[in-house]
Amino acid sequence: EDKVVQSPLSLVVHEGDTVTLNCSYEVTNFRSLLWYKQEKKAPTFLFMLTSSGIEKKSGRLSSILDKKELFSILNITATQTGDSAVYLCAVKMAALYYYRLNYQLIWGAGTKLIIKP
Amino acid sequence: GAVVSQHPSRVICKSGTSVKIECRSLDFQATTMFWYRQFPKKSLMLMATSNEGSKATYEQGVEKDKFLINHASLTLSTLTVTSAHPEDSSFYICSARGPAAYEQYFGPGTRLTVT
Repeated sequence: EDKVVQSPLSLVVHEGDTVTLNCSYEVTNFRSLLWYKQEKKAPTFLFMLTSSGIEKKSGRLSSILDKKELFSILNITATQTGDSAVYLCAVKMAALYYYRLNYQLIWGAGTKLIIKP
Repeated sequence: GAVVSQHPSRVICKSGTSVKIECRSLDFQATTMFWYRQFPKKSLMLMATSNEGSKATYEQGVEKDKFLINHASLTLSTLTVTSAHPEDSSFYICSARGPAAYEQYFGPGTRLTVT
């Protein structure tokens, strides 16, 4: 069964702390791993990872993928209250659907991050 | 854990036809479901919020007569793309709010191709 597991489910830290969010997966025909930040309406895209060991950075956020151990981490340094959100991990996998190539997203349950001032 | 399914996972239809996409919560009752559209740069756009037994709430710029949403039961919401055009081709994702208000579970998506 294809699955994506995020940990921890929730996390409360103080402003300025560094946090590491985890996403492990077991899927067939892995294509890429996506990180999203969800605050209000729609999840905001953060990163897409396809290759192992290559860190992607955007400001205080960074992420890396390990395709051998089947996990990814999302790091946030010098956290701010505006980082409070649910962080979602999704794995894009390829699948055949009536003999046609198709893609599906398998989502984790999310990590709820709360940053206290 | 909670599971949300979508059907079909892929559909190809001709321009001018209508296509229905189903979103089901498999092991919980969802009073609220959401429909998103994913764009090529992976961003998700919220199209509408679907509440069981009442009319959907559409986001600004989303045509409610084109994207018909029906949330007839606590486990099923449907999105019907009417008079589909090639520009409607996209990846549509639904999510369902779980038993706890802060929980939200996403479906695997449906790829729509309009020829």
